[in-house]
This record gives sequence, C-alpha cells and structure tokens, in this order.
Amino acid sequence: AQTVTQSQPEMSVQEAETVTLSCTYDTSESDYYLFWYKQPPSRQMILVIRQEAYKQQNATENRFSVNFQKAAKSFSLKISDSQLGDAAMYFCAYQNYGGSQGNLIFGKGTKLSVKP
Amino acid sequence: EAQVTQNPRYLITVTGKKLTVTCSQNMNHEYMSWYRQDPGLGLRQIYYSMNVEVTDKGDVPEGYKVSRKEKRNFPLILESPSPNQTSLYFCASSPSGTGHYGYTFGSGTRLTVV
Repeated sequence: AQTVTQSQPEMSVQEAETVTLSCTYDTSESDYYLFWYKQPPSRQMILVIRQEAYKQQNATENRFSVNFQKAAKSFSLKISDSQLGDAAMYFCAYQNYGGSQGNLIFGKGTKLSVKP
Repeated sequence: EAQVTQNPRYLITVTGKKLTVTCSQNMNHEYMSWYRQDPGLGLRQIYYSMNVEVTDKGDVPEGYKVSRKEKRNFPLILESPSPNQTSLYFCASSPSGTGHYGYTFGSGTRLTVV
C-alpha cells in the first residue's frame, strides 16, 4: 500500500523568507499524481500545486514550486516570499494514475507559521 | 461561483441518532467522495462515487452509507453514530476520479457525537 510521510509536524518562517516543506512517499507504481493542499484556519482544503510523475519538469504556481525527485520518492514544496496568508496546515497527497477510485493518500500534515 | 457546499458546518449529536451530512456541487462533476480528517492521521477516504447510482467503499467505510441519486448531490449518512465517528468530514468532487484534474473540496463539517 502506498504511504505518504511528512516528517515536519511544524515549521516556522519569517515573512518574505523562503521555506521548504518535506514529503516522501512509498509506492511501487511508476505513474501517479502528487499534490500539495493547503488548509488555513477556515478549514477549506485548497489545491496548491499538482505534479504528474511522468513529467520531469517541476511544477510551479506563482510563489509555490516543488522539487520532485522520483528516484528518491521525494516531493518537497518551496514557498518563496512567504506571506502571512501562507500560515496553514499543508498536506502532501498521492494518487495512483489511471484508477478511478480517486483515493488520495494524505500525509499527516505540516503546520506552517509565518512570523511578521 | 464553482464550489462544493456541505451542510451543516457544525453538528453535535447523540449516540445512535441517525444523521445526514449533505454535499452538493455546481460544476457538473462526475466524481464525488467523502473523507474524514482526524488529528495525526491526515484525511482518509470513506466512500466515493464515479457517477450517478455508482458508489463504492473507500478505506474507512464502516458505519457510513452514501447515495448518489443525482449528479450534484452526494449525502453522507450515519445510521447509528458512535463517538468514534467524531471527526471533521470533507466532501470532494472532480470531473473524474483519475487525479488528472485535481479535486475541489467543501468547507468541512465538524461532527461531534456524545
């Protein structure tokens, strides 16, 4: 069974600085999707970024980028120019490619604090 | 506005009293699913539906029922709630369950069973 591990329960960053959240996963599949979701205090789950495993290029969305290392099964999220609104729980998630169950396997989350 | 709407946002109930949490999406998505979120465990899938009248179990289906009679609605039913079902529940939808499009989540329902 696939598993997702986020080894940093909590992280802190100074406003305007850069922070990297770690995520590793375990799978025997070669094709899959990886996601980062943000959960602010409002509880809404917001998709931050999505990566397809067969694409070597790292995904980027504005200030958010990933470092996808397929061989190492690592999928870290980098937040540049951190803003107060980035404070939230961040969840890394995995899904097998090609299935229709849509079962996202989530990590336990990393709580990010942003200091002014 | 494209969204997934869950109701209620908060619910406190007593053990054994049947309840329904509603979920509705306005994006004409084929796929819908339910997750529960517990501290230290992340989110786990309860049930999913690939289309109208097609539902199947996720990883933690015990104690839950669902139905999909219309494309836009996917209610979660707890026939006899127990305290171990106290949790934060999320409904999600997508054009498909393949992962290609990502998923849109509702705002969550905080359920407490006493």
